[in-house]
Order: sequence, then C-alpha cells, then structure tokens
Amino acid sequence: DAGVIQSPRHEVTEMGQEVTLRCKPISGHNSLFWYRQTMMRGLELLIYFNNNVPIDDSGMPEDRFSAKMPNASFSTLKIQPSEPRDSAVYFCASSLRLGYEQYFGPGTRLTVT
Amino acid sequence: RKEVEQDPGPFNVPEGATVAFNCTYSNSASQSFFWYRQDCRKEPKLLMSVYSSGNEDGRFTAQLNRASQYISLLIRDSKLSDSATYLCVVNNNDYKLSFGAGTTVTVRA
Repeated sequence: DAGVIQSPRHEVTEMGQEVTLRCKPISGHNSLFWYRQTMMRGLELLIYFNNNVPIDDSGMPEDRFSAKMPNASFSTLKIQPSEPRDSAVYFCASSLRLGYEQYFGPGTRLTVT
Repeated sequence: RKEVEQDPGPFNVPEGATVAFNCTYSNSASQSFFWYRQDCRKEPKLLMSVYSSGNEDGRFTAQLNRASQYISLLIRDSKLSDSATYLCVVNNNDYKLSFGAGTTVTVRA
C-alpha cells in the first residue's frame, strides 16, 4: 500500500528563492496536514485541509508561506521568499477523517542558505 | 501550561527490561490519544491508538487515566529496535492533534 508521498526529499536553496513542497496523501483520506519540525520547536502544525478545503492556517508562520490543495490527491506548500530560519523538516500527513490517526510522509528536509 | 507534556528522558534500559513513561495533557475534553514513535531523521509512525481506558499490542501497553489526565506507555521485554523517541499525541475537539515533545528511550545490549 502506498503511504503518503512527499517530494522532494531534500531541498537546498538560497535565501530569497521560492520553494515548493509537494504531497500526495493516502488514497481515500479526507484530511491533510502540513507540519514543520525543528530541534528547537519540535513538531508544529502549519495548516490542515478537510475535503480539500483549508480549515485552519493559524500555524502558518508568515505570509511568505502558502498552501493549496487543488484536488484530493495533491497538495503543495510554498515558501516565497525563503529565509534561513525556514530550514527544517516539513512533513505532510493524512488521515481518513478529522480526529483519526494521522499517517506521515517521509518529509522534506529543507536547507536555506 | 503546555497542552501535552512528556518527560524527555532519556530512559536508558538494558535489553529485556520493562520501561514505562507518562504523558500529561491539559484539556479535559480531549477525546482520543495516540502514541507515535520517531526514529532519528525519520517521520513519526503510529504505534498505537488509545480510545478507551487503554490498549495493548504485543509488548506495548498504553493506559489512559482521564481523572488525572495522563496516558502511560509500557514496553515489556525491550528490544534494541525499541530505541526511539516516543511522542504522546492528544486529539482535542478542534481535531488538531497536539504533540508532546517526546520521550527518548535507549535500549542497550
């Protein structure tokens, strides 16, 4: 069974560049979550969608961050412009329904120099 | 007060030993609870869900104490492969999962 798929797995970019992270949730899951993990702050929820609709984006740190879910099988998290403090591992997770167990993708390790 | 609090450890135990640790949560209305494990540089993986008073899965037992607002995880006959960070996760009524910072367990030969 295919789990949550994320790409790229690693991204190194220079400050000021645009970064786009991609996620394909588990087929049939209605909810999708974007998280960021750093040593200092742990795992932080950035935004989540239910049935492709953004429900809560209060965790998005700044206007430089945006997320979309154009259909049930694809979501993007975009950072424009990127800054060194955005360096982290970004995880996408999906669940069958809100409140159910979440299954995480392998993450994208982002380094902004 | 943090929504979910865990003893960071580390808990260093010999192979075959039993190790247990707790997690406390602040929202008395929380409905469901999970334990995830996370290996170094990997994604969190679901270990078990705790919907009622507890759950057991092989060597792993989770117990929920709603009156005192804590969840425990017990690992019996620990293996080297149990070395990981264990994340306590609480589902509040807003459907967002709140993650604890994790408890590190190291099993030594």
